[in-house]
Amino acid sequence: DTGVSQDPRHKITKRGQNVTFRCDPISEHNRLYWYRQTLGQGPEFLTYFQNEAQLEKSRLLSDRFSAERPKGSFSTLEIQRTEQGDSAMYLCASSFTAGGRTGELFFGEGSRLTVL
Amino acid sequence: AQRVTQPEKLLSVFKGAPVELKCNYSYSGSPELFWYVQYSRQRLQLLLRHISRESIKGFTADLNKGETSFHLKKPFAQEEDSAMYYCALSGKINYGQNFVFGPGTRLSVLP
Repeated sequence: DTGVSQDPRHKITKRGQNVTFRCDPISEHNRLYWYRQTLGQGPEFLTYFQNEAQLEKSRLLSDRFSAERPKGSFSTLEIQRTEQGDSAMYLCASSFTAGGRTGELFFGEGSRLTVL
Repeated sequence: AQRVTQPEKLLSVFKGAPVELKCNYSYSGSPELFWYVQYSRQRLQLLLRHISRESIKGFTADLNKGETSFHLKKPFAQEEDSAMYYCALSGKINYGQNFVFGPGTRLSVLP
């Protein structure tokens, strides 16, 4: 297992186009998180899954953003009708959490989105 | 609301000097606190967590519930400590558990 992997690493798109990012977590991890990070800021929470269930979604997340984790393994994050303000690094992280103890987050290298 | 603040965007120290990266949080329950680090061209990774009470790479952090702080300290900084450091809080937010990150502090250790 090579850790959390994200694809693509870089995406340049024109405003109004749809983009999709994929995240493959560490195989035995039950939780998967999506974060967004812009220059000079810390990771900003978007959403997270416990297995295939999406348990929380940030109120900052517009309806143009949707995430899935259909079989409790990989996840996709889709952004519809992209705007220039969507330009950011999109980070995926996974963890194994059980028995009330919070698991350590393992991060991917991120997918950088540039909207022209 | 759950929030993590790191007042310093940049902290520069000389090699061998002590370093303290500040972190304050607001949370109504009993949170778990973490420090994550990102070295140049590497992914974010866990440095330490408060419940482990460990010293990692010479760094320690003590949770002070009275001051709602979790400052990261090292007595003698090394050049390889230069990196971005993020304080993070995990707690039962809404009906799940979530991680909230601070804005980060860039530590620059000068030779």
